[in-house]
Amino acid sequence: QVQLVESGGGVVQPGGSLRLSCAASGFTFSTSGMHWVRQAPGKGLEWVAFISYDGSNKYYADSVKGRFTLSRDNSKNTLYLQMNSLRTEDTAVYYCATGGWLDYWGQGTLVTISS
Amino acid sequence: EIVMTQTPLSLSVTVGQPASISCKSSQSLLHSDGKTSLFWYLQKPGQSPQLLIYKVSSRFSGVPDRFSGSGSGTDFTLKISRVEAEDVGVYYCMQGIHLPHTFGQGTKLEIK
Repeated sequence: QVQLVESGGGVVQPGGSLRLSCAASGFTFSTSGMHWVRQAPGKGLEWVAFISYDGSNKYYADSVKGRFTLSRDNSKNTLYLQMNSLRTEDTAVYYCATGGWLDYWGQGTLVTISS
Repeated sequence: EIVMTQTPLSLSVTVGQPASISCKSSQSLLHSDGKTSLFWYLQKPGQSPQLLIYKVSSRFSGVPDRFSGSGSGTDFTLKISRVEAEDVGVYYCMQGIHLPHTFGQGTKLEIK
């Protein structure tokens, strides 16, 4: 069955960096576009970024453009989100999700930006 | 950016009764291929979101047939024919025709 496992969250000071990972299994990762979606505490869902199956196309929400960078390693079935210049408003649970439909989601990893 | 507006934002329903959630988009979600890129997700308490409905009206694998989606263009509806206790949570619509994908604010369903 499809499994997505996010990791790399934690507590970071404003201005700091974190790298999130999403380990995928149970489907053909190398042919699937992937998304990141976040959810601030007690709030709704916010789409963050998308990367195409081969990494050649990447799209970002305006709120993270220039600070976050997507990448993937299809040989390791892993998706990455490098987050730099973190702000308090980036505090959220970050989910990775598969494909054009966001049909499967991971359990999420909590990122807390606080001094 | 396409704005998605859900109503109501909360819903209290007796088990066995129907429920309906509306979602309106600020632009048409009709793709040039004739498909409409509107999705519904349910986030149960303490869980990740799960896909219920894709492309307006198709139920995702394992989704009970009491859930149905309808609509076209900019107006969409999710209906639950007979609410069960396990249906509690927050329902989100999402447009997938343009990036950034955008979600509605969410509709919280509780049992009366």
